[in-house]
Amino acid sequence: DAKTTQPPSMDCAEGRAANLPCNHSTISGNEYVYWYRQIHSQGPQYIIHGLKNNETNEMASLIITEDRKSSTLILPHATLRDTAVYYCIVRFRLQGAQKLVFGQGTRLTINP
Amino acid sequence: DAGVIQSPRHEVTEMGQEVTLRCKPISGHNSLFWYRQTMMRGLELLIYFNNNVPIDDSGMPEDRFSAKMPNASFSTLKIQPSEPRDSAVYFCASSFGTGGYEQYFGPGTRLTVT
Repeated sequence: DAKTTQPPSMDCAEGRAANLPCNHSTISGNEYVYWYRQIHSQGPQYIIHGLKNNETNEMASLIITEDRKSSTLILPHATLRDTAVYYCIVRFRLQGAQKLVFGQGTRLTINP
Repeated sequence: DAGVIQSPRHEVTEMGQEVTLRCKPISGHNSLFWYRQTMMRGLELLIYFNNNVPIDDSGMPEDRFSAKMPNASFSTLKIQPSEPRDSAVYFCASSFGTGGYEQYFGPGTRLTVT
């Protein structure tokens, strides 16, 4: 799986958009970008994933650059409950590709 | 949907004792994963099953660790004998399918070995 690079920590004001970057310059053509988050003392939670096109769901939006070497997770209106560690993971989505390899992630703090 | 269920939520035991952690995956999911999380090493995959069969146990630290999945709705992770360095939070996760689908995590079991 391709290696990812994320800033160790970020701050964002409540109600503002939180933009979390991820670099994955060695991503291959068939690898997807996944985002998970872990709120303190809880298990990781799936947020969103994408391959090439931008994606949006009820939790967040995922913007992937045209060359696919980086992506940004956007929480449009951050709340205090969004304070968590956010993990960007790149992996294949095919038969047998089950492993999730978690890096150190970005610790996002939402400030009132 | 109840989500992934793990028990116990907290376990405190003495070194040398046997510890058994339990997991019930989401109904209909056919893949199950055991992870361990510590401050030093972060989140590590220990083993995963597909259709109740162990597929990759390369993350199991040593022979003291064993995992079973006797049926689609139940799995155990056993440590015998336990050691203080096994203290960690152990997560179980499940997913549908065999190809990189989203994993859903349980609340974890916090294990303390004294």
